[in-house]
Amino acid sequence: TQLLEQSPQFLSIQEGENLTVYCNSSSVFSSLQWYRQEPGEGPVLLVTVVTGGEVKKLKRLTFQFGDARKDSSLHITAAQPGDTGLYLCAGEWDSNYQLIWGAGTKLIIKP
Amino acid sequence: ETGVTQTPRHLVMGMTNKKSLKCEQHLGHNAMYWYKQSAKKPLELMFVYSLEERVENNSVPSRFSPECPNSSHLFLHLHTLQPEDSALYLCASSKGQTTNEKLFFGSGTQLSVL
Repeated sequence: TQLLEQSPQFLSIQEGENLTVYCNSSSVFSSLQWYRQEPGEGPVLLVTVVTGGEVKKLKRLTFQFGDARKDSSLHITAAQPGDTGLYLCAGEWDSNYQLIWGAGTKLIIKP
Repeated sequence: ETGVTQTPRHLVMGMTNKKSLKCEQHLGHNAMYWYKQSAKKPLELMFVYSLEERVENNSVPSRFSPECPNSSHLFLHLHTLQPEDSALYLCASSKGQTTNEKLFFGSGTQLSVL
């Protein structure tokens, strides 16, 4: 069974601090998606990483796919209250059309 | 606004009630999905429809009955639910059915079963 473990489960920090959240698995994924879900809303896709070692930047957010395509990280620089939300990762596993989802990291940025 | 609209936003129902959740997408997508989201658990895929045909039913109890009358509309009919069915039910759509397609989610229906 493919699993995606996200850590930490919960993170509360002050505005302006940096943070990193992780998405780990023992399985290899052909691609990995990161979503942000704000309170009362559905998840919204932020980025898809496809190549091992790939780094993608979205303003203050930096996404990295592990070299072995088993793990990924999301680094936020100078966090803002607008970054508050549930961050979900979802992996595409070869030959299986269902996405494998992590349980998410709940992030709160305090003003 | 993601182009996927779900109603109602909140629903409280008793275990003997029958209710339906509605989802509509305005994106011209061919695939639609129902997901269940419980606190601190991964999203659970319930049903997948591609071009109005059901292509996946993830061992979901029969008290959940999906309906896809056309490629823009998706329903989830609920009857004799259990308290453990309380969760956020999310509808999503995508252009195609493959896993590398971008999913567009609605805001969800927060369901409470008493």
